[in-house]
Amino acid sequence: AQTVTQSQPEMSVQEAETVTLSCTYDTSESDYYLFWYKQPPSRQMILVIRQEAYKQQNATENRFSVNFQKAAKSFSLKISDSQLGDAAMYFCAYRSAGAGNMLTFGGGTRLMVKP
Amino acid sequence: DTGVSQNPRHKITKRGQNVTFRCDPISEHNRLYWYRQTLGQGPEFLTYFQNEAQLEKSRLLSDRFSAERPKGSFSTLEIQRTEQGDSAMYLCASSLALTYGYTFGSGTRLTVV
Repeated sequence: AQTVTQSQPEMSVQEAETVTLSCTYDTSESDYYLFWYKQPPSRQMILVIRQEAYKQQNATENRFSVNFQKAAKSFSLKISDSQLGDAAMYFCAYRSAGAGNMLTFGGGTRLMVKP
Repeated sequence: DTGVSQNPRHKITKRGQNVTFRCDPISEHNRLYWYRQTLGQGPEFLTYFQNEAQLEKSRLLSDRFSAERPKGSFSTLEIQRTEQGDSAMYLCASSLALTYGYTFGSGTRLTVV
């Protein structure tokens, strides 16, 4: 079974600075998808960015980018020019490209943004 | 389309009672998922539907839990004989294809007293 580990329970960043959230996963599959989700307090989970394992190029979405290291099974999220609205729980998630459709989530990282 | 809708938002029930939650997915999404999230943890998979067929169930889904998706539209999750350990946020999500991430609803927070 796949597992996803987020080793940083909490992170803080100064507004306008850059922060990197870590995620590692364990799988024996070669084809899969990786995601970062944001969950603001008392609000619904929102997809931030996704990465297909077969693509070598790291995904980017505006201020959000990933560092995908397939051999190391690492998938970190970089947030540039942090804003107060970025404060939330961030979850890394894995999804097999084969049989089985569920997302496997990490335990989450709480990001605090200091003004 | 206003996204994935879940009702009720909050439910307080006494131990031993039955509860039912409803999820209305995005209309063109044929895949629907139920997850459970306890405080400070990541969501855990419960079950998955493709159209009206329930294709996967987690071992977390004991025989007190049942989910349906009649006609491949909305879905219901029922918990019978609730226990205090059932207290959690129950999340519903839908998607169109395997390559995309899910769209989540706001969840139903269940408190069993």
